[in-house]
This record gives sequence, C-alpha cells and structure tokens, in this order.
Amino acid sequence: RKEVEQDPGPFNVPEGATVAFNCTYSNSASQSFFWYRQDCRKEPKLLMSVYSSGNEDGRFTAQLNRASQYISLLIRDSKLSDSATYLCAVSGGSYIPTFGRGTSLIVHP
Amino acid sequence: NAGVTQTPKFRILKIGQSMTLQCTQDMNHNYMYWYRQDPGMGLKLIYYSVGAGITDKGEVPNGYNVSRSTTEDFPLRLELAAPSQTSVYFCASSYSTQGNYGYTFGSGTRLTVV
Repeated sequence: RKEVEQDPGPFNVPEGATVAFNCTYSNSASQSFFWYRQDCRKEPKLLMSVYSSGNEDGRFTAQLNRASQYISLLIRDSKLSDSATYLCAVSGGSYIPTFGRGTSLIVHP
Repeated sequence: NAGVTQTPKFRILKIGQSMTLQCTQDMNHNYMYWYRQDPGMGLKLIYYSVGAGITDKGEVPNGYNVSRSTTEDFPLRLELAAPSQTSVYFCASSYSTQGNYGYTFGSGTRLTVV
C-alpha cells in the first residue's frame, strides 16, 4: 500500500455542486495533515491544514478520520475558479510530509 | 515579502552538462526542501535541510547535491545531467516540521535534458 493515496480523477462537476475528495494514508502514527491546491503549471499552495476535530474555511471543509486513516476535503458551491489539482500531504515520525499524486477537479458552467 | 524565489524558471541542458538551481527565502525559515514533480506524479523529495550547515537526503537524491551555507539560500546542483532528470523542480520552506505549519513553495524551475 502506498504511503499516501488519492483518486486522480478528474472529478467533473457543474458550478454550484458539492464535491468531496479523500486521501488515505498508511502510517497510523501520522501527525500532520494538509491540503494543497495546484493550478496548471504553477506551484502548490497551502489550502488548509487538517485538524483532528475538523476545520472549515469558507466553502472548504477538511476532516480527519484516524480510525480509517484518511482525510477529506469538501468543497461546497463549486466555482469555476476551484478547477485545479488538490494535493494532500501527510507527515509521520520524520515530520517531512509525503504528498499524494493529487486529485484533479474540473468545474464546468 | 517575496517568499521563496527560484531561478531560473526554465532551462534546457544537454546530457552531461551541469547546473545549479537557485532557491532563496526571506521568511527566516530554518527548514528548506527540494522536490521534483514529474507529469501525473506526486512531489518527490530530493534533499532537505533543517538549518544552515545541515542537509539530508530525501527519497530521490541520486544525481543531485545541495548546500546550505546560510538560512536564506538552498541551491540544488545537478552534475552530469541525464534525460531522467527532466522534470519540474520546486523549492519549499517551512517554519517548522511539527504542528500545522505547511510549506511555502517557489514558482518552480522547468528543466529539460536533451
């Protein structure tokens, strides 16, 4: 099993839709979790950290499920500008995050 | 506040040539990293540094070298370039490796080896 796995997609959704991505991780001792957004031919940018109790930032909600070893990202009321690749990152004992390959989201009119 | 600055943005190398990818940050971050990203693949860690004078290998260090003489600068050296090193290279920095401190990435260097 890979350390960090994501469904590559693409997830193709209409504007206004709600979409969710999951990211599974294999190291049960993982401590820190992040979601990054990467636009085409650009660098990844930190979208949000994922806290144990879950956290929300506007239309974005991140959750952690330690029992099943996955994190999720929920995007409500999708905008055209949300089209991007979403990378998850998980860090364990070394504290150096391992990145997933990313999930591609396409929001269409 | 410039953040993380990488130069050059693009480069074409011939097989066997060498080059240095420059990375500098102005956030006084102790932790700096070099990643490569191949199409459809995740970010692979090449080298990282936890402070000036300290560097360590990541997942894919072969064919690369780094140095960290100052807090601000973390150059990546490619010796004897090979086609397998064609990739996009990202430098990143962070305040800490613990807790919920994420990375700040530079804009990347697109390298083609022909």
